[in-house]
Amino acid sequence: EAGVAQSPRYKIIEKRQSVAFWCNPISGHATLYWYQQILGQGPKLLIQFQNNGVVDDSQLPKDRFSAERLKGVDSTLKIQPAKLEDSAVYLCASSFPNTGELFFGEGSRLTVL
Amino acid sequence: AQSVTQPDIHITVSEGASLELRCNYSYGATPYLFWYVQSPGQGLQLLLKYFSGDTLVQGIKGFEAEFKRSQSSFNLRKPSVHWSDAAEYFCAVGATYNFNKFYFGSGTKLNVKP
Repeated sequence: EAGVAQSPRYKIIEKRQSVAFWCNPISGHATLYWYQQILGQGPKLLIQFQNNGVVDDSQLPKDRFSAERLKGVDSTLKIQPAKLEDSAVYLCASSFPNTGELFFGEGSRLTVL
Repeated sequence: AQSVTQPDIHITVSEGASLELRCNYSYGATPYLFWYVQSPGQGLQLLLKYFSGDTLVQGIKGFEAEFKRSQSSFNLRKPSVHWSDAAEYFCAVGATYNFNKFYFGSGTKLNVKP
């Protein structure tokens, strides 16, 4: 079974530039999450989708971050413009609803200079 | 509000020694509790989970965890650590009002001495 796919694995940009991350969840997983993991911290939820609808985006900095999940399958997370403090690993996870088990991708590491 | 505290940032144990990683949570009701492991450059993998019932739960790779309501704890244990267990371990609590929402602790990095 294929796991959660993310790309790119690494990205280095200058502040004020934009960046986009892509995630393809496990087939059939209706719930998709984007987490931000800053070095030395645990993952912090940015946004949660159920199919193509947003369930929770309360911690998404909406002035610069956006995410979409068209057709309820893969998802894109965009940052524009990036700030230094956005340097982090962006983790995508998916799950069947109400199972309590998240399946994580390997993450996309962003460095903002 | 839900929160998870992992008091130990780094732990070093010798190979073959026993291990206990601490996790304390704050939640108004009986939570759903999880332990995940993250190897370098990898995503997180579920080790075990507690929803209800027996307070001692078994997981993969020989790990177990015990839910203690009176102490608001869910500590992870392993009787004999292997070098391949070196990784970062995250405790998480799931909100029972939204089974799909999780809060993670800040993690404990485990080093294993040969």
